[in-house]
Amino acid sequence: GESVGLHLPTLSVQEGDNSIINCAYSNSASDYFIWYKQESGKGPQFIIDIRSNMDKRQGQRVTVLLNKTVKHLSLQIAATQPGDSAVYFCAESGGSNYKLTFGKGTLLTVNP
Amino acid sequence: DSGVTQTPKHLITATGQRVTLRCSPRSGDLSVYWYQQSLDQGLQFLIQYYNGEERAKGNILERFSAQQFPDLHSELNLSSLELGDSALYFCASSVRDPLTSEQFFGPGTRLTVL
Repeated sequence: GESVGLHLPTLSVQEGDNSIINCAYSNSASDYFIWYKQESGKGPQFIIDIRSNMDKRQGQRVTVLLNKTVKHLSLQIAATQPGDSAVYFCAESGGSNYKLTFGKGTLLTVNP
Repeated sequence: DSGVTQTPKHLITATGQRVTLRCSPRSGDLSVYWYQQSLDQGLQFLIQYYNGEERAKGNILERFSAQQFPDLHSELNLSSLELGDSALYFCASSVRDPLTSEQFFGPGTRLTVL
């Protein structure tokens, strides 16, 4: 069935390092992918999105990479800061429905 | 602040009861989405409305129902509550449909069923 999963449930990095959070998806019909950040006690916050006709998209300190061949999505955070500590979710949608399917999340901890 | 408001922030009730969660989307957003977030199931899409009409359904139980009113606010009704319904319920809104635009999430309603 459709599923979106994360390779690593937790990631701990040093402040200033780059972080990479990975996500696998199984629905080959998915054509839209989003990364969300959720801080404790808050709702998910949009970070960046990418459509299936692209393989890379950059934002402010973040880059999303999409590899459709292996159905893999990654989020790269440059110069990670303590404020980046949160749970990161990938989500996908596409095909014949508008349902957004979320992965289980990766907890990113940034050590000062 | 995303611009999406949800009330109440916390809700404590007993099994078998019925509750209504309310969501006001961002000004101008026509789509409203409801999600359930629990520790064991993660963030699960429940249902989407677009301009008053149901647009997509996810893993929503038959005991749950929702609607979007002419002023675009939405309500999620949960009935015959069970312990397992305890979770965070998020509402999100977006400008247009289909689902290719950013969704803005509200702060959530924490439901505790005792």
